[in-house]
Amino acid sequence: QSALTQPASVSGSPGQSITISCTGTTSDVGSYNFVSWYQQHPGKAPKFMIYDVSNRPSGVSDRFSGSKSGNTASLTISGLQAEDEADYYCGSYTSSNTLVFGGGTKVTVL
Amino acid sequence: QVQLQESGPGLVKPSETLSLTCTVSGGSVSRGGYYWSWIRQPPGKGLEWIGYIYYTGSTNYNPSLKSRVAISLDTSNNQFSLKLSSVTAADTAVYYCASGDGVSRPSNWVQGTLVTVSS
Repeated sequence: QSALTQPASVSGSPGQSITISCTGTTSDVGSYNFVSWYQQHPGKAPKFMIYDVSNRPSGVSDRFSGSKSGNTASLTISGLQAEDEADYYCGSYTSSNTLVFGGGTKVTVL
Repeated sequence: QVQLQESGPGLVKPSETLSLTCTVSGGSVSRGGYYWSWIRQPPGKGLEWIGYIYYTGSTNYNPSLKSRVAISLDTSNNQFSLKLSSVTAADTAVYYCASGDGVSRPSNWVQGTLVTVSS
């Protein structure tokens, strides 16, 4: 299975909104509403941020939102804060009943 | 949510088998509808899904690792385990066990164990 495609880096100033894209194929993102997003700070385990494209687990800030169009899913962070600086990974269910991750995006708060 | 704790050696020799165990507390590995997963992350690189075992005992693996991977469930000790055979330096990574109610929903992750493959 091929990794989903994410931009290597995205940056924004405090208070701004940024969007991270996650592009897959008709075998994963395009065929299922089972896209998830993870936040990872250096040296820490990934944190589950979004599931099933746009749902937030309890305790996750509503500044984080997810969407999908065709083969591309997106994570938007609104009101960017210094604590949002981290690596972000998308994941998608696949037609082989597996999970495939994106290569990760480094978010920098300017 | 359940608590997960990983255990296993941090150093494995090339060609040998990497073995890690994830002990579950605060819930049962036989919990209906739950997936128990392993995911790894080579130093400085991204996440790679290894596979899962469903509460029923059924498994599925990353096709690129399938010939070398086995994930098992030990209901008597409330654990699930990972075995990766014939390891090479490319298998050096932080290994995470995780749990969730869907293949694409590993919501609960352990801190992770760095496993180095070296002689």
